[in-house]
Amino acid sequence: GAVVSQHPSRVICKSGTSVKIECRSLDFQATTMFWYRQFPKQSLMLMATSNEGSKATYEQGVEKDKFLINHASLTLSTLTVTSAHPEDSSFYICSASQGNYGYTFGSGTRLTVV
Amino acid sequence: AQKITQTQPGMFVQEKEAVTLDCTYDTSDQSYGLFWYKQPSSGEMIFLIYQGSYDEQNATEGRYSLNFQKARKSANLVISASQLGDSAMYFCAAPGETSGSRLTFGEGTQLTVNP
Repeated sequence: GAVVSQHPSRVICKSGTSVKIECRSLDFQATTMFWYRQFPKQSLMLMATSNEGSKATYEQGVEKDKFLINHASLTLSTLTVTSAHPEDSSFYICSASQGNYGYTFGSGTRLTVV
Repeated sequence: AQKITQTQPGMFVQEKEAVTLDCTYDTSDQSYGLFWYKQPSSGEMIFLIYQGSYDEQNATEGRYSLNFQKARKSANLVISASQLGDSAMYFCAAPGETSGSRLTFGEGTQLTVNP
């Protein structure tokens, strides 16, 4: 079946640094990628939708300059958390749409900013 | 836009018994679908089952089945013969009307299976 590989699975970074999270679709072309954020014991909140070759669409309240999304190819989308702060510590997970209401999720990234 | 409501923050069930996790939705779309996902403590999202609004029969996938009541706008997940490995967070979700649109998730239900 369809697989989305997400890396890293876990990252600890210092305050003020940037962290890049990658999601790759391994055996299909992901024209649309969704990026979610999840706090402990809460639901997934959509941060942004990225389409290959165009600018991402951010949800209200999400800082586009802080959470940079690049979807340069049909198999790779990246989320960069710039100038990370402790409040950015969270679980980030991507999901690729395959059309026909099929969705494949990455395995998620636990970000801890110290 | 879809709104998904899961009113059970936590549920407990004895091993080998059945459990129903509630999900109600609110949509003005004529055609829609509903998903259930399982999220263990590792964080991955595991697809369990899908129900289309025009499907005539309730969806079933092994021990998982959907009690889909369109008039009541509910799509409850039934897990039969619960296993210890079923302990996880469960999310109900729905996409927008167009294929490939964003998923909106409910608040989730934490299921604990007791031995």
